[in-house]
Amino acid sequence: DTAVSQTPKYLVTQMGNDKSIKCEQNLGHDTMYWYKQDSKKFLKIMFSYNNKELIINETVPNRFSPKSPDKAHLNLHINSLELGDSAVYFCASSRFSGSNNEQFFGPGTRLTVL
Amino acid sequence: SQQGEEDPQALSIQEGENATMNCSYKTSINNLQWYRQNSGRGLVHLILIRSNEREKHSGRLRVTLDTSKKSSSLLITASRAADTASYFCATDNFGNEKLTFGTGTRLTIIP
Repeated sequence: DTAVSQTPKYLVTQMGNDKSIKCEQNLGHDTMYWYKQDSKKFLKIMFSYNNKELIINETVPNRFSPKSPDKAHLNLHINSLELGDSAVYFCASSRFSGSNNEQFFGPGTRLTVL
Repeated sequence: SQQGEEDPQALSIQEGENATMNCSYKTSINNLQWYRQNSGRGLVHLILIRSNEREKHSGRLRVTLDTSKKSSSLLITASRAADTASYFCATDNFGNEKLTFGTGTRLTIIP
C-alpha cells in the first residue's frame, strides 16, 4: 500500500483558475509537509502541519492555502493560478515534527499553468 | 540563501565504480540527511548523520560529516544501474523545524 499518496499526479490548467491537490498518508505520522520543486530541481518547503496545526509557513503567496482536516490529510488549495506556479509539488510526512526525523515523500503532482 | 549545495551538479561513472558526492552548507546544524530522487518520483530517505557523528554506513552507502568545514560527502560503492538518480543533502538550521535541501547531484551509472 502507498504510504504517502497525492492526487492528481498531473494537473494542467489555465492561468487564473483555482485548483486543489490532495495528500494522504497511512503511516500514522503526526507531521505533514508541502514542498515545491522547480524546473531546476530546487526543492523548497512551503508549509508544515503537526497534528493539524500549522507549524511552518514559509514566504508563500497567500493564494496558497493548506488545509489539514485530520492528521492523515494535508491538502493544498491554490487560487488565481499564475504561470510561475508551474512546478512539481510534493507532499511528505514524518513521524514527529523536527528536523531530525526522516521524511517520507509522495510521488509528486506536476502542475502546469498555461 | 540556499543552505546546502551539492557538488558536482552531474556525475557519470561506469557500473561497478564508486561515486562520491559532496554537500556544503553555511550555518551550524543539528543533523544532515541524504535523499535520493529517481526520475519522476518522490524523494527517498537514505541516511541521517548527526552533528556529533563523523561517519555513518548503510549498506553500500558511506556518509561523512565535517562540521569544521561545513561539508558532508556521500559515497556509493560498487555502483549499479539502479543507482542512477539525483541525490540531495538536506540540513536543518540548528534547531529550526524545517529541512533545507540542496540543488542535488545528478548521478548516471553507465552499464
